[in-house]
Formats: sequence, structure tokens, C-alpha cells
Amino acid sequence: DAGITQSPRYKITETGRQVTLMCHQTWSHSYMFWYRQDLGHGLRLIYYSAAADITDKGEVPDGYVVSRSKTENFPLTLESATRSQTSVYFCASSGSGSFDTQYFGPGTRLTVL
Amino acid sequence: GQQVMQIPQYQHVQEGEDFTTYCNSSTTLSNIQWYKQRPGGHPVFLIQLVKSGEVKKQKRLTFQFGEAKKNSSLHITATQTTDVGTYFCAGPGDNYGQNFVFGPGTRLSVLP
Repeated sequence: DAGITQSPRYKITETGRQVTLMCHQTWSHSYMFWYRQDLGHGLRLIYYSAAADITDKGEVPDGYVVSRSKTENFPLTLESATRSQTSVYFCASSGSGSFDTQYFGPGTRLTVL
Repeated sequence: GQQVMQIPQYQHVQEGEDFTTYCNSSTTLSNIQWYKQRPGGHPVFLIQLVKSGEVKKQKRLTFQFGEAKKNSSLHITATQTTDVGTYFCAGPGDNYGQNFVFGPGTRLSVLP
């Protein structure tokens, strides 16, 4: 029982390619989040979801697409990867939004060449 | 939008010295959370503060929420090498409690 998992853990791709990062949680948490982490910027929210079929933009959504057809999965797609999207991506979940503990996945290190 | 600032950005201490990081918000927060991220790891929840003036302790760590609920601090007494990492504060990113906004973090180095 891993809690929250991300795949792949490492990914190298080329500019212009589509990339999908997967996130899966086993707690049936309502809320799920995608962050990117870059040196000097901390954790920036890309998209979040309050429930299945409900998603909303965060601070830095441009160039990303999300979906949430099932409660436990929250994939993040980079439609046409750019070098500026090279980053570490963290998925997280919580039971009740910002009033509840947020649990993070191990992260995906993405390099766009 | 909601902004959360943290200082200092970096802190280098000798093992055994104390350490404090400060978190400031542009608006009043309903609650504030603290997370720790070890090098190469993912953020891990430490604590949540909700009440004005609240103080909570976890062994050598003391967390404080300001009276106006716009600032918070984390103090570590007698640092150890296991305290190395980046400490983030996080608050609600909107008025509905649906997401978070994180401070930029304070990276702590502890020299043995």
C-alpha cells in the first residue's frame, strides 16, 4: 500500500513532444494537486482537483492539461514540451483541501532537451 | 492573489546552534502548515496551526502562529544533522480552502 505514487520517476524528452505524468493515490482523497519545483521558486501549483471531473487552474497552468475521470488518478499532460518545463513535478493529495494534511508523491524529474 | 514569503532563503548553522525561519502572508490566514523536504526527497507535513497566537512543539521544533494570523515561525533548538533540508510554510491559496500556496522555503544546512 504505497499511498501516493508517481510514474515515471525520471523522464527525458524532446521539445515539442507530448508527455504524460501519472499520479495515483489509494486513500480516496477528494483533493489532488500538481506542483512544479524549480530552484528559487519553491513549489508552484499547476492544477488542482476538488473531486472527480472537477479541475481548476493554479498559479502556472499554461502548457499543461489535466483530467480526473477517477478519484484515484490525476494525470498531468504537457501537450508540447518546452525546455522551460524542465523541472521536478510533485503530485499531492489531501482529504479536505487546505485544512487537511497534504501528502506528496515521490516526484517526477522531467528533462526537456 | 495570495502570497507567502519566507526568510531567510538559506541558513547555515553549526550543529548545536538554534535555527529560526519566518513566514509572512499578505493576508490573514485561516490556517498555516509547515512542511520539510529532505535533499532529493518530497515535502512531508510537519504541523498545522489554526488559532491566533498558537504555539505547538514537537521535540526540538517550536511552531508559532502570529496574533494577527499573518505570520508564523519555526524554531529548532540545538540543530542536528538530521534537521538538514528545506522548510516550507503553506497557507490556503483561496478563500474556499481548495488549494495551497507555498512560501519559497528556507534551506537549512547543518555543519557537524
